[in-house]
Amino acid sequence: DTAVSQTPKYLVTQMGNDKSIKCEQNLGHDTMYWYKQDSKKFLKIMFSYNNKELIINETVPNRFSPKSPDKAHLNLHINSLELGDSAVYFCASSPVRTGASGYTFGSGTRLTVV
Amino acid sequence: TQLLEQSPQFLSIQEGENLTVYCNSSSVFSSLQWYRQEPGEGPVLLVTVVTGGEVKKLKRLTFQFGDARKDSSLHITAAQPGDTGLYLCAGGNTGNQFYFGTGTSLTVIP
Repeated sequence: DTAVSQTPKYLVTQMGNDKSIKCEQNLGHDTMYWYKQDSKKFLKIMFSYNNKELIINETVPNRFSPKSPDKAHLNLHINSLELGDSAVYFCASSPVRTGASGYTFGSGTRLTVV
Repeated sequence: TQLLEQSPQFLSIQEGENLTVYCNSSSVFSSLQWYRQEPGEGPVLLVTVVTGGEVKKLKRLTFQFGDARKDSSLHITAAQPGDTGLYLCAGGNTGNQFYFGTGTSLTVIP
């Protein structure tokens, strides 16, 4: 069983389209995250939810909207995709909101906007 | 954002060699984590260090947290091709997140 699973693995889409990435964790963790990894491999947090409550919302364009229907799921919807949105997006979870116990990451979604 | 600079950015060595990767910041962290990321996968937690001066060993990997809790190092002895990957440090404080470093991409050549 995959601990943190995200779909799709690859996503190629045209500029201006709207797309969603889904994430599910079966670890029973309270906190889930979305990270963006750019072409230089820098990993930057975008959002964090703790028990369905938004606790971290970094400076991200409002075209990005996370949704957490329950504490095991955190989805990311992106409107009006731009070329600069091309990156690998990682979902992660942690047993505590501080991240002090470490993060468990999904295998990533490579988004390519053409 | 608290910046953690890792050095070197890229490292290519022969199997059997030793190496050290550094993670430096001007900020003090309550704890620091190290991750390894393989191509096409997400980062995987290797270790967490929490006390200044702490040393932890994981087989051939030795992790050290600086006395002032601003820096850390990862030493690999007798590197193997399976050690190839992107090594990331992440520092945490009293907030709700850990800040990731700039990464070191290691290639071990058989």
